Amino acid sequence: GAGVSQSPRYKVAKRGQDVALRCDPISGHVSLFWYQQALGQGPEFLTYFQNEAQLDKSGLPSDRFFAERPEGSVSTLKIQRTQQEDSAVYLCASSPSGGPYEQYFGPGTRLTVT
Amino acid sequence: DQQVKQNSPSLSVQEGRISILNCDYTNSMFDYFLWYKKYPAEGPTFLISISSIKDKNEDGRFTVFLNKSAKHLSLHIVPSQPGDSAVYFCAASAYNTNAGKSTFGDGTTLTVKP
Repeated sequence: GAGVSQSPRYKVAKRGQDVALRCDPISGHVSLFWYQQALGQGPEFLTYFQNEAQLDKSGLPSDRFFAERPEGSVSTLKIQRTQQEDSAVYLCASSPSGGPYEQYFGPGTRLTVT
Repeated sequence: DQQVKQNSPSLSVQEGRISILNCDYTNSMFDYFLWYKKYPAEGPTFLISISSIKDKNEDGRFTVFLNKSAKHLSLHIVPSQPGDSAVYFCAASAYNTNAGKSTFGDGTTLTVKP
C-alpha cells in the first residue's frame, strides 16, 4: 500500500522567500507529526496533529513556522521569510492512533536556503 | 540539554557477529522506547519498541533491552547482515504527558562488513 509521501523532495529557496512543504499521510492515520532533521542529528519534533486538531506545536522554532491539516489528512508546513538556519530535512510521519507507538515516516523534503 | 543520547556515532562489525547499539536517556517521564533504522535518502523505518513495564522485547534477529534504573537501552542484532548497514535512531516518548511526541537521539551508523 502507499506510504507517507512528501513533496517536493528538494527545495532551494532564497533567503526571505516563503516555502510550503506538503505531506500526504497513510490513509486513515489519525496522527501526523512534523520533524526537522539537521545534518548529522536526529529528527527534532516540530508539531503534532490528531485529525485536524494541532495538539502540540511546542517544537516550532519561531512564528515564521506554521502548520495546518484542515481536513485531517494532508498537511502543509509553511515557513515564511526563510533564513539560512532553516536549511534541513523536514520529515513528516503518521501513525494510526494517538499513542506513543511507531510512526511511519515519509522520505523528507530537503530544504536549502541560499 | 539532550534528553536522548547515542554516544557512539558509528559501529563496525563483521557479518554474522552481534551488533550492540546503545542509548541513554535522562527524562524519567519517558515510558515508551523505539528503535528506527534509516537508509540514505529515505525516512526512518520502525524496527522494534519496548514499554517501560518490560525489560526485554524480541523480534527475530532484533532484541531491545531496557534498564530503567540506569536509564539505558540497547539494541542487539544477531546475527548481523550487510543489509543491516544503516543509521539507527533511538527514540523515547512520555505517553502520559506528550502522547505521540518522540524525542530522538542523533543516531549510530552501523556498518556490517561481509
